[in-house]
Amino acid sequence: DTEVTQTPKHLVMGMTNKKSLKCEQHMGHRAMYWYKQKAKKPPELMFVYSYEKLSINESVPSRFSPECPNSSLLNLHLHALQPEDSALYLCASSQEVGGTDTQYFGPGTRLTVL
Amino acid sequence: TQLLEQSPQFLSIQEGENLTVYCNSSSVFSSLQWYRQEPGEGPVLLVTVVTGGEVKKLKRLTFQFGDARKDSSLHITAAQPGDTGLYLCAGRPEGQNFVFGPGTRLSVLP
Repeated sequence: DTEVTQTPKHLVMGMTNKKSLKCEQHMGHRAMYWYKQKAKKPPELMFVYSYEKLSINESVPSRFSPECPNSSLLNLHLHALQPEDSALYLCASSQEVGGTDTQYFGPGTRLTVL
Repeated sequence: TQLLEQSPQFLSIQEGENLTVYCNSSSVFSSLQWYRQEPGEGPVLLVTVVTGGEVKKLKRLTFQFGDARKDSSLHITAAQPGDTGLYLCAGRPEGQNFVFGPGTRLSVLP
């Protein structure tokens, strides 16, 4: 099973709202990732968790707050977003960070900020 | 500066034709992945290539990793409309974070 699940599939929020994106994998992977993808562009790395610890933050604004409650779950907390944050948010996982770390992606959450 | 370049950017062909897309870098990669992505969906892994010179076949798709591990190609034989999508190569240059190429957008017309 190489499935990564993400909820919700679609999310519409106002600039003053607080919402969370959720990601889950049961492949025993120890690395999990958040990516942001704008239309007609490739995914851009936001955060990397390795063994439940944040190992990479690609200078992401603090209105995005990641959380890894356990090795299977990854959350992205959203607060005071801007319309330009509207995008497809992708979660991925891999066995570990480094090496041949093949990443498996979830279906994404389409976020619209009004 | 893009660490991974892909060509062509766009490709529109008739069903039954063959095509090749390329992924190039000046950096060495320990492995490269190829993904196919449809609009509004996550990238779906097609293959991982690890060894320089490696060739992998997946039905009508043939993937090759360059001897120096700096480039890769994807060849599709007898393309079908179901092959339509965005093809992304991705990997980790030595000492750096995982990166994606800009993608090749393929359209196969019936």
